[in-house]
Amino acid sequence: DSGVTQTPKHLITATGQRVTLRCSPRSGDLSVYWYQQSLDQGLQFLIQYYNGEERAKGNILERFSAQQFPDLHSELNLSSLELGDSALYFCASSAAVGGWQYFGPGTRLTVT
Amino acid sequence: DQQVKQNSPSLSVQEGRISILNCDYTNSMFDYFLWYKKYPAEGPTFLISISSIKDKNEDGRFTVFLNKSAKHLSLHIVPSQPGDSAVYFCAARVNAGGTSYGKLTFGQGTILTVHP
Repeated sequence: DSGVTQTPKHLITATGQRVTLRCSPRSGDLSVYWYQQSLDQGLQFLIQYYNGEERAKGNILERFSAQQFPDLHSELNLSSLELGDSALYFCASSAAVGGWQYFGPGTRLTVT
Repeated sequence: DQQVKQNSPSLSVQEGRISILNCDYTNSMFDYFLWYKKYPAEGPTFLISISSIKDKNEDGRFTVFLNKSAKHLSLHIVPSQPGDSAVYFCAARVNAGGTSYGKLTFGQGTILTVHP
């Protein structure tokens, strides 16, 4: 158990809908990262937050957004969902920017 | 542009033998390289890392070798055990001078199967 929690574990929704994925980092970790893993792909970095502020952006679509709250949990919002958004979404946390990242169990999103 | 590549999608070895997983990279801004192990229905678990200024790091049965001139690293598992069967991801971290410090760039993963 990495100490990073993600909810929900599974999510099935229809095209055009909007969903929110939630991540609670390890106790004391200030930095949160979001990654997407599509079928047969490695993990693709989406976005990073540190203590509530956005630090870096990767290949994140404009339909996706994220935020980190004062209690340090983070949410990833995916809107106008398309079939191609079906993937595993992982959250990771580290104590500081650049620290080793510990991953949550992921949320499997299926868009039908 | 795939900056970290694992060219072998899968590897099968016999229990007790050596497993060698390979990874190539292109970006000279990487300062640390990491290996993560992933079981089905779980998130990746950190396994071992190596700084870009070193050429070898060892932790028990796991050794990572870095060849900077070739931009190549490898993970050796000796002896391999059936419990090592998992997907192994190579990852690289952008250094503090980069705009995305801390971000990890992952390879596609290699499925390791260790047969009893």
